[in-house]
Amino acid sequence: AQSVSQHNHHVILSEAASLELGCNYSYGGTVNLFWYVQYPGQHLQLLLKYFSGDPLVKGIKGFEAEFIKSKFSFNLRKPSVQWSDTAEYFCAVRPGGYQKVTFGIGTKLQVIP
Amino acid sequence: NAGVTQTPKFQVLKTGQSMTLQCAQDMNHNSMYWYRQDPGMGLRLIYYSASEGTTDKGEVPNGYNVSRLNKREFSLRLESAAPSQTSVYFCASKDLDGTGNTIYFGEGSWLTVV
Repeated sequence: AQSVSQHNHHVILSEAASLELGCNYSYGGTVNLFWYVQYPGQHLQLLLKYFSGDPLVKGIKGFEAEFIKSKFSFNLRKPSVQWSDTAEYFCAVRPGGYQKVTFGIGTKLQVIP
Repeated sequence: NAGVTQTPKFQVLKTGQSMTLQCAQDMNHNSMYWYRQDPGMGLRLIYYSASEGTTDKGEVPNGYNVSRLNKREFSLRLESAAPSQTSVYFCASKDLDGTGNTIYFGEGSWLTVV
């Protein structure tokens, strides 16, 4: 069965700082990878996803993630965070050909003005 | 386009009571999911339905049952609620395959068991 590890559970950054959130998954075959964001009091929304092709994926609001197959990683990055990026971020994996989608425990990002 | 709709939004139950959380999607998606979200535990999959007529256990199925009533609807039932089931429940749906593969979430149902 697949699993997802998010290493940073709570991150505090100042505005304009760069962000990198780690995500590692365990599954030996083809995978689809996702990053979702949950703003306070809201439901989860898709930030970006990797399905195939270019391992560097660009999403909304200036976020990007890089799929490194050899490291089973899909880290989320943003060069310069804003206060409005304060939210909880979830990494998720779906093994190719299967419909079960597993989420990590999430990383709470707090951006200080 | 309503997307994924779940009801009720808030519910307080007494230990031992039963209830059903309803979920419907209008995107003609094949797969539907029920997750629970707890502080420090992230999102954990309770049950999912890959397509109409099928259901499968997720990571934390104990104490729950599901019904995939038709392609649109996927309900979650608590037969005898326990305080450990106090949580926020999210229903989600996704198309079966293809480059889309995005999961769409409902707004959540806050359940408190006292």
